Amino acid sequence: TQLLEQSPQFLSIQEGENLTVYCNSSSVFSSLQWYRQEPGEGPVLLVTVVTGGEVKKLKRLTFQFGDARKDSSLHITAAQPGDTGLYLCAGVKAGNMLTFGGGTRLMVKP
Amino acid sequence: GAVVSQHPSWVICKSGTSVKIECRSLDFQATTMFWYRQFPKQSLMLMATSNEGSKATYEQGVEKDKFLINHASLTLSTLTVTSAHPEDSSFYICSARKDRGLGNTFGSGTRLTVV
Repeated sequence: TQLLEQSPQFLSIQEGENLTVYCNSSSVFSSLQWYRQEPGEGPVLLVTVVTGGEVKKLKRLTFQFGDARKDSSLHITAAQPGDTGLYLCAGVKAGNMLTFGGGTRLMVKP
Repeated sequence: GAVVSQHPSWVICKSGTSVKIECRSLDFQATTMFWYRQFPKQSLMLMATSNEGSKATYEQGVEKDKFLINHASLTLSTLTVTSAHPEDSSFYICSARKDRGLGNTFGSGTRLTVV
């Protein structure tokens, strides 16, 4: 059983569309991280959100941490083929231990 | 920035042999490193936490005698898959935590194929 439920698991959209990925848990985390992973490579950190209600923007990507620090969302505006990849959320607990969500595989078609 | 080097990037071995994977923090000291396993189209599952100078802490269901972890220095942790079997074939990824700060930096992963 995943402690972090990520949805959707798979998303295929056309270039220019917007999308939102959700990461939900019944646990409270000290912080939450979002990663992007390309095939055959390790995950690359996109952002860390720490404060409940926090919103961070990274170009066309907007990350939000829930008020109760149990959930988070990633919104991509005007998706591009270069955004294709596996997006992973990870809850951070004591000792920097990460609990990963199941991942969202995004495909953006030109 | 923090860089973690993982070697080899891929390896093919015969069933019954052992394989060692190295994880090095190149520009920082890492008192703690983590080892993950990832099956195709799945997320990362934590296998064990490797602490410098002490025994690794294994997650439930991970055989410590099969997946030997050594963290002999502040910049190197190794994972040895002993008596490998085809079902051990997977993508193994390490990450290192800086001594201070919130970040975990991941290695580029090792694709293990046991034939």
